This record gives sequence, C-alpha cells and structure tokens, in this order.
Amino acid sequence: DAGVTQSPTHLIKTRGQQVTLRCSPKSGHDTVSWYQQALGQGPQFIFQYYEEEERQRGNFPDRFSGHQFPNYSSELNVNALLLGDSALYLCASSLAGQPRPTDTQYFGPGTRLTVL
Amino acid sequence: GEDVEQSLFLSVREGDSSVINCTYTDSSSTYLYWYKQEPGAGLQLLTYIFSNMDMKQDQRLTVLLNKKDKHLSLRIADTQTGDSAIYFCAERPDSSASKIIFGSGTRLSIRP
Repeated sequence: DAGVTQSPTHLIKTRGQQVTLRCSPKSGHDTVSWYQQALGQGPQFIFQYYEEEERQRGNFPDRFSGHQFPNYSSELNVNALLLGDSALYLCASSLAGQPRPTDTQYFGPGTRLTVL
Repeated sequence: GEDVEQSLFLSVREGDSSVINCTYTDSSSTYLYWYKQEPGAGLQLLTYIFSNMDMKQDQRLTVLLNKKDKHLSLRIADTQTGDSAIYFCAERPDSSASKIIFGSGTRLSIRP
C-alpha cells in the first residue's frame, strides 16, 4: 500500500521563476492538503483540495495556487518566487467524510525548494 | 487566535522518560495531536487526544491534557536512541474543517 508520494525531492529555482510540485495521495484517499515548513518552524497550512475544488485556504498570497485531478493527485504552483518561499513543502492526504479525528492526515516526505 | 507553543530543545538520558510540553490558545480545539518528524521523512502521527479526555496512554506514550490551562504534554517512557526526532504539538480548531495548526517543534536528543 503506497503512502503519500511527492515529486521532486529537491528543487532549486531563482527569484521570479515559477514552480510546480506534485503529490499523489495514499491509496483510497480523496483529499489533499499542502503545508509549507520553513527551516526550524512547524508546518503552516496552505490549502486543501477535495473533489477538485479548494476547500479551505490558509494565510498565503494568491501566488500560491493548486489543482486536484480526477485521480485525486494534486499540484501546488508558486509564481513569482521569493527568497522567503524557500522551505519544505509537505503534502498530506486524508479521506473525507470520516468522523474526526479518524480523517487523519498522512504526510509525504516533502519537496525541499530552494530559491536563490 | 490560533497559536501553539512548545520549547525548542530537550535532552534526556537513554532509558529515562522524556516529557515534551505544549500550550495552545484556541479553546474551541476539540482534537490535539502529537507528530514526529525524523530527518528526511514526513510527519508521522504519533497519537491524538479528544479535548474531553484528561489522559491517553498508548504503549510507551502518555498524553496529558489540562484543558483549563490549555496545556498538553507527551511523555515517552524508556526513551531510546530511535526516539531522537522533532516532536510537533498540533491542534485542530473546531471552526476549521481542514487545517491543523502546528507548533514550532521540540527537538529531542538522547544522551548515552
């Protein structure tokens, strides 16, 4: 049973560029959440996708956008990269409709983004 | 507001108990979690507790919740070298359907 997978593992970009990160949820899961984890900090919620729609969003600018595909996989796009966007980007999947807290979010290993 | 605070570092001797503390601010939080993060790995859910519980035990892990003081602790009995990691306290605000609010993490190191 494959867990949450993310690609790429590492990525280096320069300021102003755009980046796309990918996530495949755990088998059987239909909901994907994205988090940003800056060095030495805890993860911060970016947004969550369910049924190909953004269900909730954290305090992140519009430069951060996402997409969910019919197979439940998801992409995170960041435009006009800033140095401060350097972080570990974590994807978490869960199954909607389950009573809390059993709709546990399972995390992938993350994508390390470095912006130069 | 939503905020979770925890101390940054904890060092314990192998075989001793580790106690990691956390305070949270959202009194409406119904679910509180402890996650573990090892280098190069994602976050692993260790345990969770309902806000109507005072204590939960799961093998070597004991979670204590003081809802009045909004204080959560994780005790790891017989700490082993494999327990070295960063431990995150997290809350799920009842007003939120989705997001989890994490603390900054406590780095646990084990002395021989």
